[in-house]
Amino acid sequence: QVQLQESGPGLVKPSQTLSLTCTVSGDSISSGAYYWSWIRQPAGKGLEWIGRVLGSGSTNYHPSLKSRATMSIDTSKNQFSLKLSSVTAADAAVYYCARGTAYGNYVRWFDPWGQGTLVTVSS
Amino acid sequence: DIVMTQSPDSLAVSLGERATINCKSSQSVLSSSDSKNYLAWYQQKPGQPPKLLIHWASTRESGVPDRFGGSGSGTDFTLTISSLQAEDVAVYYCQQYYTTLSFGGGTKVEIK
Repeated sequence: QVQLQESGPGLVKPSQTLSLTCTVSGDSISSGAYYWSWIRQPAGKGLEWIGRVLGSGSTNYHPSLKSRATMSIDTSKNQFSLKLSSVTAADAAVYYCARGTAYGNYVRWFDPWGQGTLVTVSS
Repeated sequence: DIVMTQSPDSLAVSLGERATINCKSSQSVLSSSDSKNYLAWYQQKPGQPPKLLIHWASTRESGVPDRFGGSGSGTDFTLTISSLQAEDVAVYYCQQYYTTLSFGGGTKVEIK
């Protein structure tokens, strides 16, 4: 079955760039059938969609993060990545990667999700 | 942006009893072009990622027990667990995908 696994530093200093990678197994991210997404969850809080990337490399971001988020895809490794610049304490969260189902050229719902990775922002 | 508001924040239900979770959107997520409600429900157990239960407001995912049911239209939606089981203890989230994706704040379901 499809599995996703996040990886990356668990600690990032304020003002620096957060970098995470999601490795996908059981599905080809270049197939174009799904939209590959990042979602985050601050401790004790709800979920926030960050953005999505297609197998073609096309991206779309939440408007509130658009200026700081960059997503990319590496089809040779079946991975996609997130970079979030100029992080602050407000960016501390569990970051999930997920496979998104598309309808009408937009990502809609997510299944499955990775286990998540905790990112702390501290000097 | 569409704001999703869930109620209650938490509820405690006896085993075998019904649990009802509400989700209200700040604007309609019913599409006039295809008559679909652009709403999903997720279950998140402690220490686990969210799991998709329902999309299109009432379409259950494969493998999801039929005690989970979604209903509603427009701005008001409900997730019902018809007979609560111990393994249903979790936080439940609604999510709209009509416009820029957004999630509700979650409802924690516990055993009474």
